[in-house]
Amino acid sequence: GQQVMQIPQYQHVQEGEDFTTYCNSSTTLSNIQWYKQRPGGHPVFLIQLVKSGEVKKQKRLTFQFGEAKKNSSLHITATQTTDVGTYFCAGQGSSNTGKLIFGQGTTLQVKP
Amino acid sequence: DAGVTQSPTHLIKTRGQQVTLRCSPKSGHDTVSWYQQALGQGPQFIFQYYEEEERQRGNFPDRFSGHQFPNYSSELNVNALLLGDSALYLCASSKGPNYGYTFGSGTRLTVV
Repeated sequence: GQQVMQIPQYQHVQEGEDFTTYCNSSTTLSNIQWYKQRPGGHPVFLIQLVKSGEVKKQKRLTFQFGEAKKNSSLHITATQTTDVGTYFCAGQGSSNTGKLIFGQGTTLQVKP
Repeated sequence: DAGVTQSPTHLIKTRGQQVTLRCSPKSGHDTVSWYQQALGQGPQFIFQYYEEEERQRGNFPDRFSGHQFPNYSSELNVNALLLGDSALYLCASSKGPNYGYTFGSGTRLTVV
């Protein structure tokens, strides 16, 4: 079945440093979504990427969808303590059925 | 803005018992998905409901069943509880199967 893998599992950075998490799917995706979950909270939708090679920006966050629609990345520029949390990618298979499969997440810690 | 509402927030059950979790989707959303999230893991897809029918199902046994009502609210039922069923159960709603999800705060189920 479809699997979504994320690396790294954990990342500790100094405030102001950049951060990147990578996501890889075992199958071609129709779209990929990114979520953030704060400690003790629930996942919050950040963005959806649909097109091959798509790049979207939200302030200091840059999201990319690979040309083959099997991988994605999230890059945060100049991290802040408010960026702390776990970032999940979640992919929908090419059958476009609505089944959203989550990766294991990357937990970001930011030292002030 | 009324987002996704889940009840109860916490629940303790004994092994072998049955449990029902409830979810009211965000206003305007007609698709409801249920996820199980173990500590330190990504959400695992249980099933998705649309137009009162189960449209997609993940790799969960038949002990897990659900229902969607005409007002789009949903229930998750788990029979013959096992210790391994202890987890955070998340309900997510969306405008359709290919849109970003809004998650509820979850129900923390502990099986003893």
